[in-house]
Amino acid sequence: DTGVSQNPRHKITKRGQNVTFRCDPISEHNRLYWYRQTLGQGPEFLTYFQNEAQLEKSRLLSDRFSAERPKGSFSTLEIQRTEQGDSAMYLCASSSGTGNQETQYFGPGTRLLVL
Amino acid sequence: KQEVTQIPAALSVPEGENLVLNCSFTDSAIYNLQWFRQDPGKGLTSLLLIQSSQREQTSGRLNASLDKSSGRSTLYIAASQPGDSATYLCASNIMDTGRRALTFGSGTRLQVQP
Repeated sequence: DTGVSQNPRHKITKRGQNVTFRCDPISEHNRLYWYRQTLGQGPEFLTYFQNEAQLEKSRLLSDRFSAERPKGSFSTLEIQRTEQGDSAMYLCASSSGTGNQETQYFGPGTRLLVL
Repeated sequence: KQEVTQIPAALSVPEGENLVLNCSFTDSAIYNLQWFRQDPGKGLTSLLLIQSSQREQTSGRLNASLDKSSGRSTLYIAASQPGDSATYLCASNIMDTGRRALTFGSGTRLQVQP
């Protein structure tokens, strides 16, 4: 078990292009989260999966954003028609446990720069 | 809507000093409160998790306390070292059916001077 992994670690793209990020959670964890973090701020929640079901989405997740977890293992986050305001660190976390014993473990993040 | 505030935003201390980082939250109906460490350009490392029924948790030189009634948590770092330099974030999730998202503060950026 090597923890939560994310790929790519860095992505530079031009405005209007589509990008896709991948997250591989800790193998026995059934919950997976996506957060976005901008400079000087704490992470903000985007969406959450339990197994393959997407159970919660933030209002931050506009129509240009889509996330999938097709087999309840890895997840992808796609941003279509990127805008400069999408530049941020995209963090993935996974967890197990219930209620007040749930600890979220974070990956290293994917840093996106939209030119 | 849960709001989490961390004070101070930045802190610089000489090596060896004991220090306290503060976290306040508006909704006391929380499942737990977590403290994380983030090094520049990196992901988050979980330091301590305090369950809603607990008052404090300790790990090495770190001690975190929780007072739900006042909506406050503190992270105490004893005998600080230059390697402790990082941003410290607190986060909570609320007891709302189906909601598991963590709400984060903006963090305290700590610099420990050798």
